[in-house]
Amino acid sequence: QSALTQPASVSGSPGQSITISCTGTSLDVGGYKYVSWYQHHPGKVPKLLIYDVSNRPSGISNRFSGSKSGNTASLTISGLQAEDEADYYCNSYTDSNTYVFGTGTRVAVL
Amino acid sequence: QVHLQESGPGLVKPSQTLSLTCTVSDGSITSDVYYWNWIRQPAGKGLEWIGRVFTSGRANYNPSLRSRVAMSVDTSKKQFSLKLTSVTAADTAIYYCARGLSSGWNWGQGTLVTVSS
Repeated sequence: QSALTQPASVSGSPGQSITISCTGTSLDVGGYKYVSWYQHHPGKVPKLLIYDVSNRPSGISNRFSGSKSGNTASLTISGLQAEDEADYYCNSYTDSNTYVFGTGTRVAVL
Repeated sequence: QVHLQESGPGLVKPSQTLSLTCTVSDGSITSDVYYWNWIRQPAGKGLEWIGRVFTSGRANYNPSLRSRVAMSVDTSKKQFSLKLTSVTAADTAIYYCARGLSSGWNWGQGTLVTVSS
């Protein structure tokens, strides 16, 4: 299975909004609602931001939102803050009863 | 809040078998709503899902690793395990265990495994 495709890097200024895309196929992202997003600061444990495409776990800021259209899922971070600088990964269930991660996106706050 | 902790050798020789255990505390390991994952991240690279195992013993593996991977659960010890055979330097990575359920995954802290002679 191939990794889902994410942009290598996305940047924005404090207060701005950015969107990270996650492109798969109809056999993973497009076929299921089981897309999640993780924030990963180097050396720390990946933190769940979004599950089931657009649901936020308790305690996650509403600045983070998720959506999906066709084979592409998206994570939007609004009101960008310095602490949002991290790596972001999408994850999807697949038709083979497996999971696949995205290639990862490094977010830089300018 | 469930807590997961990986344990095992930090150094494995090439061609040998990597064995890791994840201990689950402050949470059930027997509930059918959970499944137990292993994920890894080589230095400077992205996350890679290795596979998952259910309490029943049923498992699903990443196709790229399927021929070398085996996972199991020991409910009496509240542990689940990963075995990866015939390792090479490419298997050097931080290995994470994670509890999976419909509302997302809870991760362990991760453990670095280096493959080197």
